[in-house]
Amino acid sequence: GAGVSQSPSNKVTEKGKDVELRCDPISGHTALYWYRQSLGQGLEFLIYFQGNSAPDKSGLPSDRFSAERTGGSVSTLTIQRTQQEDSAVYLCASSPGWGGADTQYFGPGTRLTVL
Amino acid sequence: GNSVTQMEGPVTLSEEAFLTINCTYTATGYPSLFWYVQYPGEGLQLLLKATKADDKGSNKGFEATYRKETTSFHLEKGSVQVSDSAVYFCALREGDDYKLSFGAGTTVTVRA
Repeated sequence: GAGVSQSPSNKVTEKGKDVELRCDPISGHTALYWYRQSLGQGLEFLIYFQGNSAPDKSGLPSDRFSAERTGGSVSTLTIQRTQQEDSAVYLCASSPGWGGADTQYFGPGTRLTVL
Repeated sequence: GNSVTQMEGPVTLSEEAFLTINCTYTATGYPSLFWYVQYPGEGLQLLLKATKADDKGSNKGFEATYRKETTSFHLEKGSVQVSDSAVYFCALREGDDYKLSFGAGTTVTVRA
């Protein structure tokens, strides 16, 4: 079966523009995560979805960041009024069930560059 | 809070050399420890894990032992191949939490 897919693979945008990043998790996985990897730093947790529960948004760095997950499957991470410090690789992961015990499967990431 | 510190790269080795990537952690409880690997152009993959002290995780010739006394989880491989060229990430998960805390990653290049 297919793994986690993300689109676009690369995105270049101008400061102040909005961007949307998409994640297609592995079919049947109920848990979905977004992480961010900034240059020279480890992956930083952003947000977690589990089934129909309210998402854990505790890692979102500012109110310019939001994410939704439609129909318990595809997720979109939206960054409004992008800033240069938003430049990073955004990684999506999914896992079969409750994330505490499951292995997280990662997508290839979206490299965002804000000029 | 939780944190992971791993040796900075890049690391360049010759084929069949011995590889060690150091990883130490800070956690309030008893975390599970992981090594993830990212091959060029691919997503992060779980390489190995250990869930309690003295456990040894192993996969593809790589090993790491959970050392609670030194709060370490160093990755080792006795004889690397060109195909091991990748970025390696040490990570931890505290108890039943779902969030992974990652190190900065170590880029390893193996030359033929």
